[in-house]
Amino acid sequence: RKEVEQDPGPFNVPEGATVAFNCTYSNSASQSFFWYRQDCRKEPKLLMSVYSSGNEDGRFTAQLNRASQYISLLIRDSKLSDSATYLCVVNDSGFQKLVFGTGTRLLVSP
Amino acid sequence: NAGVMQNPRHLVRRRGQEARLRCSPVKGHSHVYWYRQLPEEGLKFMVYLQKENIIDESGMPKERFSAEFPKEGPSILRIQQVVRGDSAAYFCASSRGQRGEEPQHFGSGTQLSVL
Repeated sequence: RKEVEQDPGPFNVPEGATVAFNCTYSNSASQSFFWYRQDCRKEPKLLMSVYSSGNEDGRFTAQLNRASQYISLLIRDSKLSDSATYLCVVNDSGFQKLVFGTGTRLLVSP
Repeated sequence: NAGVMQNPRHLVRRRGQEARLRCSPVKGHSHVYWYRQLPEEGLKFMVYLQKENIIDESGMPKERFSAEFPKEGPSILRIQQVVRGDSAAYFCASSRGQRGEEPQHFGSGTQLSVL
């Protein structure tokens, strides 16, 4: 079983749609969680950290369910510029060792 | 305020040659990480360094790969006697502290192609 699993997609949605991605992780001791986005295999860019209480940043909402070991990302009112690969990332230790999922590809069309 | 700087952006080597990848962290960051992304795969952790120290190298192949982060100058990832399977994107990241919740900031990567 992969440490971090994501549906690779692609998710094809029209502009303005709401889309949700899920991610599961295997290590129950994981401590920190993030969503990054990656465009065309360029560098990953931090989208948001994910907290147990859930957090929102504009059109983006992230949720963490520790009991079920899954993380979600909700994107509302999709824009063309949201087209990218979204990486679910877990820190497996108290220190900085990130474990990346293979990513979910999102394509937003006009 | 420059971000993480990596060079070169593209590096072509023939089998058996050496590859040296450089990474300058964000100013003020003393923690550096190297990741590798093979084609059609996710990023894989390789090594975590602080100034002059290797903290975690559990993701580094046992042979031909080494990394350093000297007191002065950039971090270097060195691959000796490269093989075709080393062709990948190599990303460097840095963080201000070592706590797990501190985000890592990534450089634009070095695309290594081995002929």
